[in-house]
Amino acid sequence: AQSVTQPDIHITVSEGASLELRCNYSYGATPYLFWYVQSPGQGLQLLLKYFSGDTLVQGIKGFEAEFKRSQSSFNLRKPSVHWSDAAEYFCAVGIPGGYNKLIFGAGTRLAVHP
Amino acid sequence: DSGVTQTPKHLITATGQRVTLRCSPRSGDLSVYWYQQSLDQGLQFLIQYYNGEERAKGNILERFSAQQFPDLHSELNLSSLELGDSALYFCASSVGDRSSYEQYFGPGTRLTVT
Repeated sequence: AQSVTQPDIHITVSEGASLELRCNYSYGATPYLFWYVQSPGQGLQLLLKYFSGDTLVQGIKGFEAEFKRSQSSFNLRKPSVHWSDAAEYFCAVGIPGGYNKLIFGAGTRLAVHP
Repeated sequence: DSGVTQTPKHLITATGQRVTLRCSPRSGDLSVYWYQQSLDQGLQFLIQYYNGEERAKGNILERFSAQQFPDLHSELNLSSLELGDSALYFCASSVGDRSSYEQYFGPGTRLTVT
């Protein structure tokens, strides 16, 4: 069965610092990969997605993610964090060609210090 | 604002009761999904409908049921409620039913069972 692991439950960074959130997946082939952000009291918003092709994916709000097949990873990065990036971030996988059932990781809560 | 609406925002009820959560998808979207977000289980896929038909089922309890109506809105019915059913319930929608279609999430309904 597919699964997603986000090893870091909480991360704190200073405003302006770089950020990397880790995501590892378990699946027999290459799944579709997603990063979502959930701000307090809000629903989830899609930051970026990877289906195939270029392994470095650009998303909204200055985020990017890199797919590494050898490590079964899809880490999210941002070069300079803003206070408004404080939120919870979820990595998710979908099955190519399958119905749209997303499997989510446990999430990483990001705090940003001024 | 994703365009997905969910009512009510908050619901407080007692154990053993039954509640109905409502979701209206984005205009033009035919697929609706329900997810449960709880502290111990994280974000879990419950069920997917496409144009009125059930497409995929996840970890949905037998006490829970859902349907999608001809006008494409969906309802999630939760019965014989237990304390452990307290959670945030999200609805999402997408144009198609396959994993290549982006899901747009509503703000959620927070259910508290006392």
